[in-house]
Amino acid sequence: NAGVMQNPRHLVRRRGQEARLRCSPMKGHSHVYWYRQLPEEGLKFMVYLQKENIIDESGMPKERFSAEFPKEGPSILRIQQVVRGDSAAYFCASSPISHGDTEAFFGQGTRLTVV
Amino acid sequence: QQQVKQSPQSLIVQKGGISIINCAYENTAFDYFPWYQQFPGKGPALLIAIRPDVSEKKEGRFTISFNKSAKQFSLHIMDSQPGDSATYFCAASIPGSTGNQFYFGTGTSLTVIP
Repeated sequence: NAGVMQNPRHLVRRRGQEARLRCSPMKGHSHVYWYRQLPEEGLKFMVYLQKENIIDESGMPKERFSAEFPKEGPSILRIQQVVRGDSAAYFCASSPISHGDTEAFFGQGTRLTVV
Repeated sequence: QQQVKQSPQSLIVQKGGISIINCAYENTAFDYFPWYQQFPGKGPALLIAIRPDVSEKKEGRFTISFNKSAKQFSLHIMDSQPGDSATYFCAASIPGSTGNQFYFGTGTSLTVIP
């Protein structure tokens, strides 16, 4: 049973470009969470999705960031017109039910560098 | 505003010693407190978790102590080993809420020296 798969592992984008991060949850998991980790900081919640629904996006910046979890395929975190401050590690986690009640399994992250 | 405060930021312990990491929170609605371990280049992995109806939980060399009245909880690693060298994050969540998010501490970088 493969774990949470994130790709790419490393992504370099120039300022103004779009970054697209993918997350395939563990088999049987229908809840996906995206977190951002800045150097020397903990993980900050961004968004919580179930299939085809955004449940909570309270941690998501209002502009340039969007997320989706379609019926088929991976969850996508999209960052438009990236800026240097977007450079961070982005982690996806999945759980079979809402992870406040159970373990959430994290992927290995995508390290985004904006140059 | 940091919902969960974690200390120390870094910790160096001799092999065989006890590593202690502390966390404090304010929101009394939190009722699930996991600890995650993260190795460089990897995602966080659940180490051990506790709910506030117990004051202590032990799994092997890892123990969580929980003080509900003080709103504090800590991770103790007994007989620390070099393989325990990693970054440890405490977290808290409110199960059942629509938020369903973890609030993480800022992490403690543990180095266990032989």
